[in-house]
Amino acid sequence: DAKTTQPPSMDCAEGRAANLPCNHSTISGNEYVYWYRQIHSQGPQYIIHGLKNNETNEMASLIITEDRKSSTLILPHATLRDTAVYYCIGDWTGNQFYFGTGTSLTVIP
Amino acid sequence: DVKVTQSSRYLVKRTGEKVFLECVQDMDHENMFWYRQDPGLGLRLIYFSYDVKMKEKGDIPEGYSVSREKKERFSLILESASTNQTSMYLCASKYGYQPQHFGDGTRLSIL
Repeated sequence: DAKTTQPPSMDCAEGRAANLPCNHSTISGNEYVYWYRQIHSQGPQYIIHGLKNNETNEMASLIITEDRKSSTLILPHATLRDTAVYYCIGDWTGNQFYFGTGTSLTVIP
Repeated sequence: DVKVTQSSRYLVKRTGEKVFLECVQDMDHENMFWYRQDPGLGLRLIYFSYDVKMKEKGDIPEGYSVSREKKERFSLILESASTNQTSMYLCASKYGYQPQHFGDGTRLSIL
């Protein structure tokens, strides 16, 4: 499974786009990139996942570079409720998720 | 929406006790997982199950066992609880190659 690297923390102003980077240089061709977030005292919440193409849903957009070595999760209009730890995971089976320590995003009023 | 329910949000047990953590999902998912989460270590996989009565060890199975007698229920068992098993325990389920869905966790304290 791909090893992922994320910055430990980031700040974002409320109402602005939050861009969370993830490096997964060892990802293989059949491994998906998944993003989750975890708000204090709750279980991780699924956000989005993708393989090669950029993806968008009601929560976020996922931009995957052409070489698939990195990706960016975009929260288009961050709110205070988006303050959480965000995890990027690379996996092809979905059965061996390795959650690292993620990026702690703080949305500032 | 998928609902994964863990039986307790908070639990306090004593060293040496046998502890059962229960997890139920309502979406007929064949795959279920148990993780523990500790500060600075992220989530670590203890066991997972891909079918009734089937189980696979994760990264840290020592001191734990699991039971899956029915598709919707996956139990984590601490055979003889120790203080180093104080942690947040998270259950998840999924179908096929779809993403995992998590419960809200059980914060277990072993005294």
